[in-house]
Amino acid sequence: DSGVTQTPKHLITATGQRVTLRCSPRSGDLSVYWYQQSLDQGLQFLIQYYNGEERAKGNILERFSAQQFPDLHSELNLSSLELGDSALYFCASSVDPASYGYTFGSGTRLTVV
Amino acid sequence: GESVGLHLPTLSVQEGDNSIINCAYSNSASDYFIWYKQESGKGPQFIIDIRSNMDKRQGQRVTVLLNKTVKHLSLQIAATQPGDSAVYFCAETSGYSTLTFGKGTMLLVSP
Repeated sequence: DSGVTQTPKHLITATGQRVTLRCSPRSGDLSVYWYQQSLDQGLQFLIQYYNGEERAKGNILERFSAQQFPDLHSELNLSSLELGDSALYFCASSVDPASYGYTFGSGTRLTVV
Repeated sequence: GESVGLHLPTLSVQEGDNSIINCAYSNSASDYFIWYKQESGKGPQFIIDIRSNMDKRQGQRVTVLLNKTVKHLSLQIAATQPGDSAVYFCAETSGYSTLTFGKGTMLLVSP
């Protein structure tokens, strides 16, 4: 157990639907990162939050959004889902943005049918 | 477990052999590098890191080599074991930017 908790582990949904993925960072970590992993694109950075504020944005689609709450857990919202959104979504955390030894959760496998 | 990369370069070795996994990076400004290991069904796990002011760093059974001239990073695993079978990613960053991951290499260790 890495200390980063992601729920749910698996999610199957239909095209056009909306889902929410949840992440609880490791105790003491203030920075949360979301990555998407697909077979042909590897690990793609989506977005980073630090202590509740958006810190950096990567290749995140406009249909996707995220937030970090006062208790530091984070949610990634994916809407108007398409078949191509099927992937593993990982959350990682670190103490602060200057700490690069990210700790990853086990991921959420999203399947859009 | 779940496969994370059916189209990845694959390195197949025998148990007990030494393994070398290579990674080329493109950003000459990158000054910090990490190797991650990802086992089936799990998230990436930190193995070893190296800063750009070093060219070699050793851990337990693992060594990372950095050649900044040709922007190349390698991970050497000594006496490879079946438990080392996984996908290995290099990641790079500069300053306060987030980690950028390479495509990954699948290591298969045969008993």
